[in-house]
Amino acid sequence: GENVEQHPSTLSVQEGDSAVIKCTYSDSASNYFPWYKQELGKGPQLIIDIRSNVGEKKDQRIAVTLNKTAKHFSLHITETQPEDSAVYFCAATEGDNQGGKLIFGQGTELSVKP
Amino acid sequence: GAVVSQHPSWVICKSGTSVKIECRSLDFQATTMFWYRQFPKQSLMLMATSNEGSKATYEQGVEKDKFLINHASLTLSTLTVTSAHPEDSSFYICSARAVGAFFGQGTRLTVV
Repeated sequence: GENVEQHPSTLSVQEGDSAVIKCTYSDSASNYFPWYKQELGKGPQLIIDIRSNVGEKKDQRIAVTLNKTAKHFSLHITETQPEDSAVYFCAATEGDNQGGKLIFGQGTELSVKP
Repeated sequence: GAVVSQHPSWVICKSGTSVKIECRSLDFQATTMFWYRQFPKQSLMLMATSNEGSKATYEQGVEKDKFLINHASLTLSTLTVTSAHPEDSSFYICSARAVGAFFGQGTRLTVV
């Protein structure tokens, strides 16, 4: 089955700096890779996703890159703000069913210091 | 994005009682919903896949008789924790797939 590894587990940056979180996956058939932001006591919020036919996607300060050959994808947050502080999770589908179940990485606790 | 609503957001129950958690897709239909469990400072662990009109598919190690799932309509799935015990205390979260995969707000279950 699918296995998703996420690094780092914690990340502290200064306000205005960039933050990068990386994930690797094992199932070469995976074709959907979402990223979530989870604040304390709340459900995960989808912030950006990418499908296997695209190498990069950007939405304002957030971007995701995908390298299918190497089976890794990354989240990039630029111009970080204190409100970006949260736990971020990557995920990948098990198999090639984009509507199928997601396997999650271990999470990254991002702290943005003002 | 699509909206998934989960209710209640928190519940406290006595050991041995049952608790039902509802998950609704508010602006789209979902033939499949997913139930996750999350312990403090840990990742989301998939418990089961809820299929509209048919039986749920449980992940290995999840007791199907303890965690009853019903997906009676295209917009509603329920998770019932039966005969709850303190070790069942956790954060339960549902998810439904539209164009993307969206999550409910989660339910904090505390069994005393």
